[in-house]
Amino acid sequence: EAEVAQSPRYKITEKSQAVAFWCDPISGHATLYWYRQILGQGPELLVQFQDESVVDDSQLPKDRFSAERLKGVDSTLKIQPAELGDSAMYLCASSLAPQGDTEAFFGQGTRLTVV
Amino acid sequence: EDQVTQSPEALRLQEGESSSLNCSYTVSGLRGLFWYRQDPGKGPEFLFTLYSAGEEKEKERLKATLTKKESFLHITAPKPEDSATYLCAVYAGNNRKLIWGLGTSLAVNP
Repeated sequence: EAEVAQSPRYKITEKSQAVAFWCDPISGHATLYWYRQILGQGPELLVQFQDESVVDDSQLPKDRFSAERLKGVDSTLKIQPAELGDSAMYLCASSLAPQGDTEAFFGQGTRLTVV
Repeated sequence: EDQVTQSPEALRLQEGESSSLNCSYTVSGLRGLFWYRQDPGKGPEFLFTLYSAGEEKEKERLKATLTKKESFLHITAPKPEDSATYLCAVYAGNNRKLIWGLGTSLAVNP
């Protein structure tokens, strides 16, 4: 069964350091999402890609966060410098259709702890 | 303002005790409602998509229904392995946003 792959599964970093997360979506899925989820809350969209183009990054803290999907396949989310408040689960998801009205499939996430 | 509210926040059932979870919404131009299951420390697992009032979908012990104002996730004769957080999300077509609820944490005791 096709899955969304994410790495690493866990990451501990010191504040002010740089950290990066990687995501490989389901093959053929043009839309890729990065979400952040704090315990007890629903996922919060950080950035949405359609192929290699950014569709929505309105909630991405652009002073410290960046995301890219250079060839329209896998994607990297970077935080530099990391802050204590960035501790959360970072989730990648992909969907077949360009609109948000079809189901998205999530990876297992990266649990980030900033110390 | 687009909004999705899930209730109850937490639910504890005995094995075999059927119940329902609620997802009520006020969005501009509903284009889809999604149910997900999330186990601790893992990403959400897709369960169902509903598009129009009156639509129903079933999978094993789960059945999702949709009206013009809310969706229900019915759990029939639950087992301990059904314990998880169940998340609801609604796509607001007019604003092109996917709005998430906070989830219902379900615990099924053996």
